Amino acid sequence: DAGVIQSPRHEVTEMGQEVTLRCKPISGHDYLFWYRQTMMQGLELLVYFNNKAVMDDSGMPKDRFSAKMPNASFSTLKIQPSEPRDSAVYFCASSLGPGGPNMRYTFGSGTRLTVV
Amino acid sequence: AQKITQTQPGMFVQEKEAVTLDCTYDTSDPSYGLFWYKQPSSGEMIFLIYQGSYDQQNATEGRYSLNFQKARKSANLVISASQLGDSAMYFCAMRPSGYSTLTFGKGTMLLVSP
Repeated sequence: DAGVIQSPRHEVTEMGQEVTLRCKPISGHDYLFWYRQTMMQGLELLVYFNNKAVMDDSGMPKDRFSAKMPNASFSTLKIQPSEPRDSAVYFCASSLGPGGPNMRYTFGSGTRLTVV
Repeated sequence: AQKITQTQPGMFVQEKEAVTLDCTYDTSDPSYGLFWYKQPSSGEMIFLIYQGSYDQQNATEGRYSLNFQKARKSANLVISASQLGDSAMYFCAMRPSGYSTLTFGKGTMLLVSP
């Protein structure tokens, strides 16, 4: 299995520009999660999906962030307009199910976003 | 609310020695899962070990073991015979049974010296 695939690995953009992060989960994993990692806040959950439906997006700034999962093998996290405070590493993770060891996340390699 | 506390921002250990990374958690749910992840300098998050709250025995995976003390709400990671490649950030995480997501601690940076 190729694991969770994220793109791009690195993104540098100017403030105000739109940024789209992409994720392909492991086939058969029903849960997909987007986390943001910063030195100050650590790992924060932004949004997660179950069977392509948004289950919780309370961690996501709604005015500028949007997340979609149009099919079971693809998800996007979009930031528009981007701001310097959005600079972070964004991780996508997927898991098989909600219970026990099935809850184990497999993470993608992350996207390092820098907004200048 | 769920909370994970990792009180050691940094730990140093010599190669081949054992090291314990501390993790305490707070939940009112009697059923939960505990996880440890490793993040090397390359940035990826690597799953290490899982412990269920009702598991009778402490989890082990190769050189990793989890010292689970339920009454004290602690889930310390023990790495035996440290190797240089163990130098990384280590995160403890928890999922209570009523939730579908993991809550992560702030992490402990481990440095292994020759």
